[in-house]
Amino acid sequence: NAGVTQTPKFQVLKTGQSMTLQCAQDMNHNSMYWYRQDPGMGLRLIYYSASEGTTDKGEVPNGYNVSRLNKREFSLRLESAAPSQTSVYFCATLYLGPRGGWDTEAFFGQGTRLTVV
Amino acid sequence: AQKITQTQPGMFVQEKEAVTLDCTYDTSDPSYGLFWYKQPSSGEMIFLIYQGSYDQQNATEGRYSLNFQKARKSANLVISASQLGDSAMYFCAMRELGSARQLTFGSGTQLTVLP
Repeated sequence: NAGVTQTPKFQVLKTGQSMTLQCAQDMNHNSMYWYRQDPGMGLRLIYYSASEGTTDKGEVPNGYNVSRLNKREFSLRLESAAPSQTSVYFCATLYLGPRGGWDTEAFFGQGTRLTVV
Repeated sequence: AQKITQTQPGMFVQEKEAVTLDCTYDTSDPSYGLFWYKQPSSGEMIFLIYQGSYDQQNATEGRYSLNFQKARKSANLVISASQLGDSAMYFCAMRELGSARQLTFGSGTQLTVLP
């Protein structure tokens, strides 16, 4: 009963390196989200995928790309990491029905702590 | 414009007393849901309570209740009988059913429970 699994849990990158953060869920949810949380602040939406095959920009998409590989997996890629991308990244999932009937809880992964030096 | 506003960056409450954490929201979507999450210092996101826009009753979950005032667009969290373990960051969030289908969070309130 894994729920939402994020990998890796910790990562240190050098400026300019690239990496992909992985998120996988086993709850058959259609909507998935990527957030970043800077120290002492709230969660800011980077990208989201309302359903398999669709992705949309959130509040802070610059410097990131995403792939909704299938219903289970939603990855976040940093093509050229910058120190400003040092943050904790959370993946979340939620079921949203087309005309209602949605889950009353969004489920979160444990977070990925990324440091760019 | 911010969709979720939490105006209290920090709050203090005495152990065993009740505390209200404020949350206001902005949406034109008639179908939406409001969530509260707790984030302790360990960092995980813990779901507390949910209120749907069409729900007639205010949501309650144990010591947590949500004071939902639809006309004012507010969804305040009330914690009764505060415990030391309630010290954490609290986030209000909203998801809309409209085309955006975003799940948006407020900036949070840091609650400290004093012995």
